[in-house]
Order: sequence, then structure tokens, then C-alpha cells
Amino acid sequence: AQSVAQPEDQVNVAEGNPLTVKCTYSVSGNPYLFWYVQYPNRGLQFLLKYITGDNLVKGSYGFEAEFNKSQTSFHLKKPSALVSDSALYFCAVRDDAGNNRKLIWGLGTSLAVNP
Amino acid sequence: KAGVTQTPRYLIKTRGQQVTLSCSPISGHRSVSWYQQTPGQGLQFLFEYFSETQRNKGNFPGRFSGRQFSNSRSEMNVSTLELGDSALYLCASSLDVGAGGLYEQYFGPGTRLTVT
Repeated sequence: AQSVAQPEDQVNVAEGNPLTVKCTYSVSGNPYLFWYVQYPNRGLQFLLKYITGDNLVKGSYGFEAEFNKSQTSFHLKKPSALVSDSALYFCAVRDDAGNNRKLIWGLGTSLAVNP
Repeated sequence: KAGVTQTPRYLIKTRGQQVTLSCSPISGHRSVSWYQQTPGQGLQFLFEYFSETQRNKGNFPGRFSGRQFSNSRSEMNVSTLELGDSALYLCASSLDVGAGGLYEQYFGPGTRLTVT
């Protein structure tokens, strides 16, 4: 079965430092991977996706993610964190099992950027 | 373009009652998906509608149902509410998430349902 794991419930980083939010996945076939962000009292916002091509994907708000097939990982990164990046981050993978196509979500990682 | 809207934003219901939540997708988006979000379970997929037909379904009991109208607006209904149904219910629209997963989903702010 397809699955996504976000091994860290919370990540703390100082403003200006690089940040990494981890995601690993398990799929049969080619993975379609997504990152979303959820700010307090708001819906999820799309950040970026990997479908095929370059392993480094660039997205919104200066975020990027690195697809690593051998490690089955899709970590979210940003070179210099901002306090406004503090939010809940979700990794998701598309599940194509049978004819029931849907997104499988990680449990989320809470990112706190300290001034 | 207006974003995805959901009504109501907050609801308080009693066990055994039923509830209907509404979602208006972004104009031009024909796919609407519903999710249940809870702290312990994260986002759980409920179902997806496309062109008024339920195309995909998650692992929820039959008390959870939905429909989509010709203008792509969607409603979900939960009957015989249980305490465990308390959650944030999110609606997401996309151009067509099913066809190839190439189109990202746009989420509404959610409806916070509390069952007492």
C-alpha cells in the first residue's frame, strides 16, 4: 500500500538558518509527490510537486524539495527561514491503486521559526 | 479568481443529528474532494466528485455521503453524528486531480464541526 511518513512532529529553526522538513514515501510505480502548507485557521496551500524530471523542484515562497529515489525521500528545504514560515507542513503522494485515485497524506510537521 | 469557499465555517451539533456542509470550488474546477482533518489522524480522504459523479472514495462509513451539482458546487452530509466526527472538514478543488495527478488542489478554509 502507498504511504507517506513525516518522521518529525516538530522542527525548530532560527530565522535566517536553512530548514529541512523530511518526508519519506512508499509507492509502487512512479511517485507523484506534493508539499502543502497550512497556516493557522486557514486551508492548505500548495507549495510544489514532483512528477518527473529534475530531482530538485522549486516551489512557492522560496521553498524547494529534493526527490531521492534511492532513499525514497522528498525533503522540503529552504535556504533561509523566515518567522512567517512557521506553519504546519504536509507531504502527500498520489495513490493509484486500482481505479481509486487519491492523495495519501503524512501527519504533518509543525515548523517553528524563532526570531 | 475567487478561492474555494466553504460554509458554514463553524458548526456545533449533538450526537445523533445530521449535518450538511457546502463547498464552492474555484470557477472552472470540476473536481471537488473532501477531507477530514483531526490532530491524531491527519488528513483523511473522504471522496472526490467530478462532473456530478463520485469518482473516488476513502474508507469512511456510509454515514458520510456527498454530491456534486451541475455548477460543480458540492455538499457533504454526515448522518447520525458521533463524537468522533468532530473535526475540520476541508474541501479542495482542482482542474482534474484524477486524470494524471498533474494539477494541484486548492483548499478552502474548512468547516470546524464539533459534536457534543
